[in-house]
Amino acid sequence: GIQVEQSPPDLILQEGANSTLRCNFSDSVNNLQWFHQNPWGQLINLFYIPSGTKQNGRLSATTVATERYSLLYISSSQTTDSGVYFCAAATHNLFFGTGTRLTVIP
Amino acid sequence: KAGVTQTPRYLIKTRGQQVTLSCSPISGHRSVSWYQQTPGQGLQFLFEYFSETQRNKGNFPGRFSGRQFSNSRSEMNVSTLELGDSALYLCASSFGQGAREAFFGQGTRLTVV
Repeated sequence: GIQVEQSPPDLILQEGANSTLRCNFSDSVNNLQWFHQNPWGQLINLFYIPSGTKQNGRLSATTVATERYSLLYISSSQTTDSGVYFCAAATHNLFFGTGTRLTVIP
Repeated sequence: KAGVTQTPRYLIKTRGQQVTLSCSPISGHRSVSWYQQTPGQGLQFLFEYFSETQRNKGNFPGRFSGRQFSNSRSEMNVSTLELGDSALYLCASSFGQGAREAFFGQGTRLTVV
C-alpha cells in the first residue's frame, strides 16, 4: 500500500500564530484528503485535494502530485483548531498518516 | 442532508463474543468503507462495499466481515472478539467506488473486556 508520512508529529502554537503541516506519500494517488479529528473521534473533512491549491477561510492546502507531497496551512490559529490532523492518500482505499497533534495555547 | 450515521456509538463486549456494527451512508452514496483506529496501529482499512459487493479488503483476519444491503447501509461483524479488537471503528461513505472523496461517521467505540 501507499506509505504516508506526516510532519511534525506534534506542534504547539500560541493563539494567532500560523503553521504548516506536511504530508509525504510514496506513490501516485487519485485522492488526497485532509481531516481534523474532533475530541469524539469523528474525522471532519477539511480538503479533498488530489492536486492544486484550495482555500477555506483560515485554512488552505496545496498538493504537488508530481512531487508526492501536500501541505496544510493554518493561519491565525485559534484554540478550537487544537486536535489531530490526518492526511490520507488513496488509489483505491485511503491510507492514513500517523497525524499531527496540534495544540493551540491561548 | 444527513451525514454518515453509525450505531451504536459505544459498545462493551466480552472476549469470545461477537459484535455487529451498523453504518448508514449519506443519501445517494453507494460506497461504504470501514476503518479501524487504535493507538498502536493508527487508522487501518478493513474493507469497502459497493453495490452490495465487497470490492476491496485490508489485511485483517477472517473474523472481520461485512455486508451491504440494497439501500447501501452496511454492517460490520467481528466474531470471537479479542482484547486487541478494542478500537474506534469508523465508517466512510463515498458517492463512487474507490478513491472518491470520503465522508466519515462519528464512529463506534468498541471495548473488549
